Amino acid sequence: QVQLVQSGAEVKKPGASVKVSCKASGYTFIDYYMHWVRQAPGQGLEWMGWINPNSGGTNYAQKFQGRVTMTRDTSMSTAYMELSRLRSDDTAVYYCARTLWTNNWFDPWGQGTLVTVSS
Amino acid sequence: QSVLTQPPSVSGAPGQRVTISCTGSSSNIGAGYDVHWYQQLPGTAPKLLIYGNSNRPSGVPDRFSGSKSGTSASLAITGLQAEDEADYYCQSYDSSLSGSEFGGGTKLTVL
Repeated sequence: QVQLVQSGAEVKKPGASVKVSCKASGYTFIDYYMHWVRQAPGQGLEWMGWINPNSGGTNYAQKFQGRVTMTRDTSMSTAYMELSRLRSDDTAVYYCARTLWTNNWFDPWGQGTLVTVSS
Repeated sequence: QSVLTQPPSVSGAPGQRVTISCTGSSSNIGAGYDVHWYQQLPGTAPKLLIYGNSNRPSGVPDRFSGSKSGTSASLAITGLQAEDEADYYCQSYDSSLSGSEFGGGTKLTVL
């Protein structure tokens, strides 16, 4: 079955960077876009951007431009999201999710990775 | 502040019908982009509930239905059950933002 498995929880200090991985299985990795969505504690879902695993092309939400980098390793069917210059309000659960096209529905989702930013 | 507006909360008794609205604009829902709905149970990742405005993925009960008209969309849940208590999010594409957007989410309470 199609599955996205993310890396484990992280604790980072303000100003540091974090890199979260998302390993895909059960489908052809390069055939689907991979998006990243985050959810701060008690808050709603916030779309961060996508990567085209085939070309490596990316599209980031304006809010995160300059701080986020999405990459992929096609040999490992894994997508990565790196967020730099972390602040306390970046504390959130980060999800990866797959779409067929850039404006499609997200299905499935990874299990989520909690990133805590604290001094 | 999301470009898609949902009511913060709705509630209903077991067996009743509830609806959750999702109001957008001419750059997203009104531009013809599809609306999708997700259910998020406490402590879990969101799960696709409705795609393409009104389509149910395999395994989603037919108690859940979606519709879209103009710049708005709605999720209807009939025959409410205790297990439906969750947060619900709508999602669409926004051309002015060149990306996906989510509604602020609606917490459904089953009384």
